[in-house]
Amino acid sequence: GAVVSQHPSWVICKSGTSVKIECRSLDFQATTMFWYRQFPKQSLMLMATSNEGSKATYEQGVEKDKFLINHASLTLSTLTVTSAHPEDSSFYICSASFRDRGSGIYEQYFGPGTRLTVT
Amino acid sequence: AQSVTQLGSHVSVSEGALVLLRCNYSSSVPPYLFWYVQYPNQGLQLLLKYTSAATLVKGINGFEAEFKKSETSFHLTKPSAHMSDAAEYFCAVSFGGKLIFGQGTELSVKP
Repeated sequence: GAVVSQHPSWVICKSGTSVKIECRSLDFQATTMFWYRQFPKQSLMLMATSNEGSKATYEQGVEKDKFLINHASLTLSTLTVTSAHPEDSSFYICSASFRDRGSGIYEQYFGPGTRLTVT
Repeated sequence: AQSVTQLGSHVSVSEGALVLLRCNYSSSVPPYLFWYVQYPNQGLQLLLKYTSAATLVKGINGFEAEFKKSETSFHLTKPSAHMSDAAEYFCAVSFGGKLIFGQGTELSVKP
């Protein structure tokens, strides 16, 4: 259980175009999803927290007009990179929050990531 | 403020040797701690978690970690390394529903 999928797994786009990445929780409902960015050989950097039915909360330094996040349902969140530029090339990972019944804490289950290359 | 420090960005062991990946945390409240593994070009997989139930936590793939409050540590160990253990490992602390990650430790396993 607790499977999270991302689509596409990799995408190449031209500079100036927009790219949408989907994140789905397949076997549970997630009121909260998170979007991360990861540079090579580095840790995950939280970009934003996405709550179903409300506006995303962006971390400091993340451009909300550049990275549009929509959380339309309890199983789907999307990240749209608008007017992409080569510096937006990165590995983007989403996670979905799930409350563990045993411990009562919220755990995050991660998608497999999306490799974005902007040429 | 909550934070996590992983000592050693790269650890190399021989196959069959003990694996020890270090993690120290800073937290103003009793922490929830996690270890994740990431294989190349993949997402993160949960290895184990500490939720205050037991200080010695056993996870998947033979890994375990011990929570030591006095040392503010949550080191990850495995008695005998396999080639398949080569990956990036992240320690994380939960705060306000978010995860705060350490810098990561790349584990190499030599034959």
